[in-house]
Amino acid sequence: GDSVTQMEGPVTLSEEAFLTINCTYTATGYPSLFWYVQYPGEGLQLLLKATKADDKGSNKGFEATYRKETTSFHLEKGSVQVSDSAVYFCALRVWGGSNYKLTFGKGTLLTVNP
Amino acid sequence: ETGVTQTPRHLVMGMTNKKSLKCEQHLGHNAMYWYKQSAKKPLELMFVYNFKEQTENNSVPSRFSPECPNSSHLFLHLHTLQPEDSALYLCASSQPIWTYGYTFGSGTRLTVV
Repeated sequence: GDSVTQMEGPVTLSEEAFLTINCTYTATGYPSLFWYVQYPGEGLQLLLKATKADDKGSNKGFEATYRKETTSFHLEKGSVQVSDSAVYFCALRVWGGSNYKLTFGKGTLLTVNP
Repeated sequence: ETGVTQTPRHLVMGMTNKKSLKCEQHLGHNAMYWYKQSAKKPLELMFVYNFKEQTENNSVPSRFSPECPNSSHLFLHLHTLQPEDSALYLCASSQPIWTYGYTFGSGTRLTVV
């Protein structure tokens, strides 16, 4: 079946540090890939997406590149801020999959200290 | 404001109560979803509705009863819940198209006492 594997958290960084959160996937068909962010007490918000191989999604300084050859979609940010502290979810949605369902990873908690 | 509104934001209920969670979207989406998010557990997909028809029920206990009267509204009726049902319940909507992400509401924090 379809699955997403994210690096285990929690991840703790100092402000202005470089962030990488690894995400790899297994898909039964051709996937679109997504990163979601969840701030404390809130629902999930779409952060960025990529719908075909070699596409780069970007938003608010975050980037991720759809790598078909390595089945990966790693999230990066060059300089994190305290306000980036949240849980980050990688997800995929497969063309032709059951109800075009989103399959989520388990989430990675990021804490950024001043 | 995400375009998906969930009410109430917080709910405390006894095990013998009956209550309902409401979700509303005005994004023109045709698919709606209920998720359960418990502490230290992955997101759990509960129900899927496409064009008002339930297309997925992930072995959810019958004490949870969904209702989708139209493409803009989704309800989750709750009765005789257990303390382990305490969680954040998230509603989402989307187009049933593989390049679309979901739009989530802010959730209802449910506590069963």
